[in-house]
Amino acid sequence: EIVLTQSPGTLSLSPGEKATLSCRASQSVDSSYLAWYQQKPGQAPRLLIYGASSRATGIPDRLSGSGSGTDFTLTVSRLEPEDFAVYYCQYYGDSPYTFGRGTKLEIK
Amino acid sequence: QVQLVESGGGVVQPGRSLRLSCAASRFTFSNYGMHWVRQAPGKGLEWVALIWYDGSSRYYADSVKGRFTISRDNSKNTLYLQMNSLRAEDTAVYYCARGTPSDYWGQGTLVTVSS
Repeated sequence: EIVLTQSPGTLSLSPGEKATLSCRASQSVDSSYLAWYQQKPGQAPRLLIYGASSRATGIPDRLSGSGSGTDFTLTVSRLEPEDFAVYYCQYYGDSPYTFGRGTKLEIK
Repeated sequence: QVQLVESGGGVVQPGRSLRLSCAASRFTFSNYGMHWVRQAPGKGLEWVALIWYDGSSRYYADSVKGRFTISRDNSKNTLYLQMNSLRAEDTAVYYCARGTPSDYWGQGTLVTVSS
């Protein structure tokens, strides 16, 4: 079973700054099956990135995903107020379709 | 716009059963695999189960294997989760989600297991 470790647990930044979120897999995975989701309080998760680097429909280009092997990154180039939320990575290459424990991006 | 609406949540005693439903609309339901994902209060996302588009394969998290059953009725555009032998640790909001990766999610239904 793949275990995904996200860091940091909480990231405190200001609007306009750059955010870098990490997702590390317990073993090398196929990057074709790495996704990122955003969740705001009281809302369902929203798919942001799939295949490690492909943006889902309607996702702005200030969000980008990268990585391969065991190390993956979600970058938000210039934080907007609506970007402050919890972010989860997920490996969906095989069952179980594990999520990481999340990174909370909060306003500093 | 794709719509997924969960129902069937509520308060149930430990050891009892509950069946969740997810009504799908505005897309061809029979073309998509479907997931259940849950979130305990204040916690992260936990994948629960997947069923293929035609129901031919099903997969479960170890935490629910043998107690939960995912199923679907493509003629009714509905996904189900039969939950038996419920435990306090099954308390969560349960989401249904379309596809792998999941591009559309319902708003969730809360299941509380408590005596």
